[in-house]
Amino acid sequence: DTEVTQTPKHLVMGMTNKKSLKCEQHMGHRAMYWYKQKAKKPPELMFVYSYEKLSINESVPSRFSPECPNSSLLNLHLHALQPEDSALYLCASSQDFRDISSNQPQHFGDGTRLSIL
Amino acid sequence: SQQGEEDPQALSIQEGENATMNCSYKTSINNLQWYRQNSGRGLVHLILIRSNEREKHSGRLRVTLDTSKKSSSLLITASRAADTASYFCATDASGGSYIPTFGRGTSLIVHP
Repeated sequence: DTEVTQTPKHLVMGMTNKKSLKCEQHMGHRAMYWYKQKAKKPPELMFVYSYEKLSINESVPSRFSPECPNSSLLNLHLHALQPEDSALYLCASSQDFRDISSNQPQHFGDGTRLSIL
Repeated sequence: SQQGEEDPQALSIQEGENATMNCSYKTSINNLQWYRQNSGRGLVHLILIRSNEREKHSGRLRVTLDTSKKSSSLLITASRAADTASYFCATDASGGSYIPTFGRGTSLIVHP
């Protein structure tokens, strides 16, 4: 079992659908991340939230919209996705990425396997 | 790019043998981390080694760091079938945001 919980585990959606991915952690971490991972590739950073504010957006298309309602929750809203967006979407959390003295490893959820028809 | 490069890309060994994976990177770092990913699962943190450290151990894992060569190695001793997974190194560039960037990974298969 992981300490970062992602739902749903699998999602199939059409290109015109709107859906959301959810992530939750209760470790008191103040940094939360979304990654996209294609098969046999490393995770690619999409967004970073620090203290519930969006700190980094790695030039992600606007059809992906992140949201951090509180320090424990992270959402990724999806709209008008393309087939190439099919991938494993991973959420992670860590204590705080800004302070090197508290630099701690990231804790990952098991991801949402997204398929776009 | 600060992305690390793991070598080899794939490794196949028998149970009980040791497995060694290497990671090279391009610029100065604060930390280097190793993660494991089982098929269809998230990444699991294994070891973090700081730039002023040369070696760390955790159970059957041994990590070395050579900052002069900008390289690290992960040694898994007495491997088990359950060690079958992909292994990624992750580096964060010094003077940067400390967010780790993942290398392309090594796929390890341990045959029982």
